[in-house]
Amino acid sequence: AQSVSQHNHHVILSEAASLELGCNYSYGGTVNLFWYVQYPGQHLQLLLKYFSGDPLVKGIKGFEAEFIKSKFSFNLRKPSVQWSDTAEYFCAVRSPGFGNEKLTFGTGTRLTIIP
Amino acid sequence: SQTIHQWPATLVQPVGSPLSLECTVEGTSNPNLYWYRQAAGRGLQLLFYSVGIGQISSEVPQNLSASRPQDRQFILSSKKLLLSDSGFYLCAWCRGSEAFFGQGTRLTVV
Repeated sequence: AQSVSQHNHHVILSEAASLELGCNYSYGGTVNLFWYVQYPGQHLQLLLKYFSGDPLVKGIKGFEAEFIKSKFSFNLRKPSVQWSDTAEYFCAVRSPGFGNEKLTFGTGTRLTIIP
Repeated sequence: SQTIHQWPATLVQPVGSPLSLECTVEGTSNPNLYWYRQAAGRGLQLLFYSVGIGQISSEVPQNLSASRPQDRQFILSSKKLLLSDSGFYLCAWCRGSEAFFGQGTRLTVV
């Protein structure tokens, strides 16, 4: 069964600090990986996704993530955060094919940026 | 364009009463549909997903059930609500590479 772990439950950073949020998944087969963001009072929206190809994926708002297959990881990074990045971030994994379209989310990381 | 409708937005129900939350998708066909519950500190817990009409996969044993009577309709139900069913319920659809979420239903069982 697939699962996703986000070990950082709450991260607090000052503006301009660098960010890295951890995400590890447990499924050993082909996976699609996603990072979603939920700003206060808003819907979940997609930040970036990895399906295949270049393991370094660039998303919206200056975010990027690196897929490291050997470590089963898909960490989210941003070199310099802004106050507007305050939100909750969710990593998700999906194992396509063979009828398994289950989209599983991690428990989320709450990011608070201090001006 | 595709849209997803979920209603009601908020609901207060007494313990033991039935539940029916509805989710419909427009602008697409044969989507994969999902029900999640979002709780503080627990992220999004997958409750049910469906890859087609009448096909329901349940992820966790609980007091809830789901049905998909039509291609673009997904219903979350309960015969008798428990206090522990309180929470924020999200419907989502996915076809291809991205999932799209409804506005959610805040359910309070009293």
